[in-house]
Amino acid sequence: TQLLEQSPQFLSIQEGENLTVYCNSSSVFSSLQWYRQEPGEGPVLLVTVVTGGEVKKLKRLTFQFGDARKDSSLHITAAQTGDTGLYLCAGGPSGGSNYKLTFGKGTLLTVNP
Amino acid sequence: EAQVTQNPRYLITVTGKKLTVTCSQNMNHEYMSWYRQDPGLGLRQIYYSMNVEVTDKGDVPEGYKVSRKEKRNFPLILESPSPNQTSLYFCASSRGSSRTEAFFGQGTRLTVV
Repeated sequence: TQLLEQSPQFLSIQEGENLTVYCNSSSVFSSLQWYRQEPGEGPVLLVTVVTGGEVKKLKRLTFQFGDARKDSSLHITAAQTGDTGLYLCAGGPSGGSNYKLTFGKGTLLTVNP
Repeated sequence: EAQVTQNPRYLITVTGKKLTVTCSQNMNHEYMSWYRQDPGLGLRQIYYSMNVEVTDKGDVPEGYKVSRKEKRNFPLILESPSPNQTSLYFCASSRGSSRTEAFFGQGTRLTVV
């Protein structure tokens, strides 16, 4: 069974601060996706990384896939209140017919004004 | 607009009363799945479907049924709901690759009393 551990579980910061969220596993994943979920809504994809060592930037968000494709990080620069939400990492399957994403339990980020 | 539509959004029911949560997608996706989201447990897959008439169990299938008679629809059926099925449910669809985005519905909050 593939597992993804996210840390920290909860994070409360002030607007303007930087933060990093981690997603770790002992398993290799074919891809790693990051989603953001707001209260009362379903998760929405932010980014997909597929190559070991890959770095992708989305405005103030920087995503990195580990060289061995077992871990990933999300760094937010100068956080804003609009960044508040649940951040989920999800690993793509490494084989088989079920295209199931393995989700971490999430990091609940609160950015205070 | 590409979307996954779930109904109802909220449902309170009594133990043992059969219910169906509908899910429909307009993106012609082959792969659809159902998840439940519980505090501290994250998103767990209930059932998935690779295509019409092809369904299989996910990680927590007990107490649930699904069907896939049409490509766009993937209803979740609880034949005899119990209180431990109180949860937030999400339907998701994707093109059926390990690297493609999963589109989620807005969720159905189910309470079984």
